[in-house]
Amino acid sequence: EVQLVESGGGLAQPGRSLRLSCTASGFIFGDYAMSWVRQAPGKGLEWLGFIRTMANGGTTEYAASVKGTFTISRDDSKSIAYLQMNSLKTEDTAMYYCNRGDGSGLYWGQGTLVTVSS
Amino acid sequence: DIQMTQSPSSLSASVGDRVTITCRASQGIGNYLAWLQQKPGKAPKSLIYAASSLQSGVPSKFSGSGSGTDFTLTISSLQPEDFATYYCQQYNSYPITFGQGTRLEIK
Repeated sequence: EVQLVESGGGLAQPGRSLRLSCTASGFIFGDYAMSWVRQAPGKGLEWLGFIRTMANGGTTEYAASVKGTFTISRDDSKSIAYLQMNSLKTEDTAMYYCNRGDGSGLYWGQGTLVTVSS
Repeated sequence: DIQMTQSPSSLSASVGDRVTITCRASQGIGNYLAWLQQKPGKAPKSLIYAASSLQSGVPSKFSGSGSGTDFTLTISSLQPEDFATYYCQQYNSYPITFGQGTRLEIK
């Protein structure tokens, strides 16, 4: 059974950093791109970006809103995708979901909540 | 970036009704269109990909159509568990973008 479990969320102060993890199981992690999508409270879904498989160079694509401040990486040996979030702002407060694929995939994690507040 | 516009933004319907949600892309996206369902406090669930293909396990009461810029999601014989928010999503090009969502409520 495919499972994606996000972790690492919590309360962070503006300007600080946070790293989220998406731990995968039930499939060959290295064979799939992995992506992150967020949802601010009461708002719609926002695609953040994704990382390709290492066979496809492990390259990344990002939304303009997070490019330069958020970084997606992966550790295929641990079956984990990461979202490094730097210079956090209050508007980054959201539920963060990982998705198997480039964001259009079938499988989603349950999400991890990030609250940015002083 | 490709903008996705859904209509209506909210919709009231009764159990047993058939409803249609539309999604328009700001430029042609072929059939690179997905529909997702989200219930309060839950992760999105993928219903349809490639505009009209049902994901495994999704009941046939859900159907999608369209190509290019105009797409529809139809839900027949509404049941209580179908009342949720529905999003369209284009994955023709990056950045992937979503519609603003359609909230389907019980009348």
